[in-house]
Amino acid sequence: ELKVEQNPLFLSMQEGKNYTIYCNYSTTSDRLYWYRQDPGKSLESLFVLLSNGAVKQEGRLMASLDTKARLSTLHITAAVHDLSATYFCAVAAPEGSQGNLIFGKGTKLSVKP
Amino acid sequence: DAGVIQSPRHEVTEMGQEVTLRCKPISGHDYLFWYRQTMMRGLELLIYFNNNVPIDDSGMPEDRFSAKMPNASFSTLKIQPSEPRDSAVYFCASRPDGWYRTQYFGPGTRLLVL
Repeated sequence: ELKVEQNPLFLSMQEGKNYTIYCNYSTTSDRLYWYRQDPGKSLESLFVLLSNGAVKQEGRLMASLDTKARLSTLHITAAVHDLSATYFCAVAAPEGSQGNLIFGKGTKLSVKP
Repeated sequence: DAGVIQSPRHEVTEMGQEVTLRCKPISGHDYLFWYRQTMMRGLELLIYFNNNVPIDDSGMPEDRFSAKMPNASFSTLKIQPSEPRDSAVYFCASRPDGWYRTQYFGPGTRLLVL
């Protein structure tokens, strides 16, 4: 059974600081996704990572994937308050991989002035 | 495009009542997913459809839950009878064909069962 673990689950940062969120998964998979959820809102797709060594960047966020280590990271550079949200990673389930994603518990990020 | 549409956005009902949640996926998307989100269990996949056919319903908690997709533009998730432990936010998501494509989530239905 595929398990997806994120850490930390809660992260309080100061504006301007850098930090990394980690996503580990337990079995081989060929796709990993990052989503953002604002309080009381829906999930918004951030990144799709499809191969070992894949790196995607948008603004102050950069995501990478190491399929050999079964690890993805979401790096935050010079955090600003607008980045406060919950971030989820999701991994494609190996069986029936046409559809099913397994989500981590999410990392709740709070950026303080 | 209007995105994934869900209704109602909020539902308050009493234990034992039937609840029906509705979803309209993005036009042209072949896959539709129903998720449930709670603080305790996080985001759980309940069921997903491909071209209106249920593919995996192993996440449906019990027989009280049922889902249908009568056509490409409409799906329902029904709970009968509802129980307080069903209180959660229910999300519908859709995605186009293509194994690498991301899912697009609707705004969710916040359900409270008293």
